[in-house]
Amino acid sequence: EDQVTQSPEALRLQEGESSSLNCSYTVSGLRGLFWYRQDPGKGPEFLFTLYSAGEEKEKERLKATLTKKESFLHITAPKPEDSATYLCAVRPQTLGRLYFGRGTQLTVWP
Amino acid sequence: NAGVTQTPKFRVLKTGQSMTLLCAQDMNHEYMYWYRQDPGMGLRLIHYSVGEGTTAKGEVPDGYNVSRLKKQNFLLGLESAAPSQTSVYFCASSPRSPYSNQPQHFGDGTRLSIL
Repeated sequence: EDQVTQSPEALRLQEGESSSLNCSYTVSGLRGLFWYRQDPGKGPEFLFTLYSAGEEKEKERLKATLTKKESFLHITAPKPEDSATYLCAVRPQTLGRLYFGRGTQLTVWP
Repeated sequence: NAGVTQTPKFRVLKTGQSMTLLCAQDMNHEYMYWYRQDPGMGLRLIHYSVGEGTTAKGEVPDGYNVSRLKKQNFLLGLESAAPSQTSVYFCASSPRSPYSNQPQHFGDGTRLSIL
């Protein structure tokens, strides 16, 4: 049973076309939710940590938000260099390990 | 500014062969982790270590062994490789306790094929 579900699996956007990626989770009690970016042939690169519902974090064209059951990664006016796979991971209150979703593969074309 | 370094980057093995993957971090992190990443699946934790000389099982530990003899190094061993172990292996490290919300820092992976 997946603890973390990401949607869509793949997303193609034209440069400048804003959109959102979703991460829903079913763990009971959340200590933290993490967003990572992964480029082909590379390891995941940390983007954000969110701790509680209502929290938001921003970095350049990316904005992450958190509710009690899901997180969104909003991409505003994306550029081709934003193309990557975006991974979501959650850390439950009672366990130290992270549960990763399968990722959303984002392609931004000019 | 190396961060987490994994060696080798690529390897092809025959079924039954053994090998060791090396992970080294220069950030003085206490915690280290080994994950595998397979197509269509999320990263899955194999083993982890909370400090020098300690290791623990993760979600998919069978067929793997680990050792943490030095704080900066975490070794992943395959004693008798099987085709099901074909995967991309990632090492990660994080400071202090995983119960804090320090993010994990990842290496660039080892791509392992078992024929």
